[in-house]
Amino acid sequence: QKEVEQDPGPLSVPEGAIVSLNCTYSNSAFQYFMWYRQYSRKGPELLMYTYSSGNKEDGRFTAQVDKSSKYISLFIRDSQPSDSATYLCAMTPTGGFKTIFGAGTRLFVKA
Amino acid sequence: DAGVTQSPTHLIKTRGQQVTLRCSPKSGHDTVSWYQQALGQGPQFIFQYYEEEERQRGNFPDRFSGHQFPNYSSELNVNALLLGDSALYLCASGVNGEQYFGPGTRLTVT
Repeated sequence: QKEVEQDPGPLSVPEGAIVSLNCTYSNSAFQYFMWYRQYSRKGPELLMYTYSSGNKEDGRFTAQVDKSSKYISLFIRDSQPSDSATYLCAMTPTGGFKTIFGAGTRLFVKA
Repeated sequence: DAGVTQSPTHLIKTRGQQVTLRCSPKSGHDTVSWYQQALGQGPQFIFQYYEEEERQRGNFPDRFSGHQFPNYSSELNVNALLLGDSALYLCASGVNGEQYFGPGTRLTVT
């Protein structure tokens, strides 16, 4: 079993839809939770960064962490074609330096 | 504010050769991590450097080695290249997961 599980998709939605992306994990030591966006043949771009449980909102993006269920989510409101990319979840344990990534979910937003 | 930079952009090598990739961290960052990303996969942690020392290592063989310089820039060296080493190599700076990535070096081993 992988430490971090993420559905690779692809996920296809119409423009303006609300997108929900999710990851589950098995290591209870994870304390830092991140979402990255990666366009084809580019480096990942940090979108959201959360410490421990709770919600965080930034513009059209909302990140949720539920440590009791070992489940994290990213919501994208009013999705745009420019949001079409691969979304990677990532986690780091407290006091550790090794960040573990999910496999990434490919998202397509159709105009 | 300069972000993370990497060189070269692309590289083609032959099996058995050695390669060196370079990274300059984001301004103000002193920690550099290296990742390998195979096609269709998430990045895999290779190692992290801080104060010119390797602080933690992922599940990669000793053929993968690195170095950090006093100006915090870093190199990744891979010896005895295998076909399976073909991937996008990413450098990131920052700590506790709040890491910023460079554009990557695409390595092709033939």
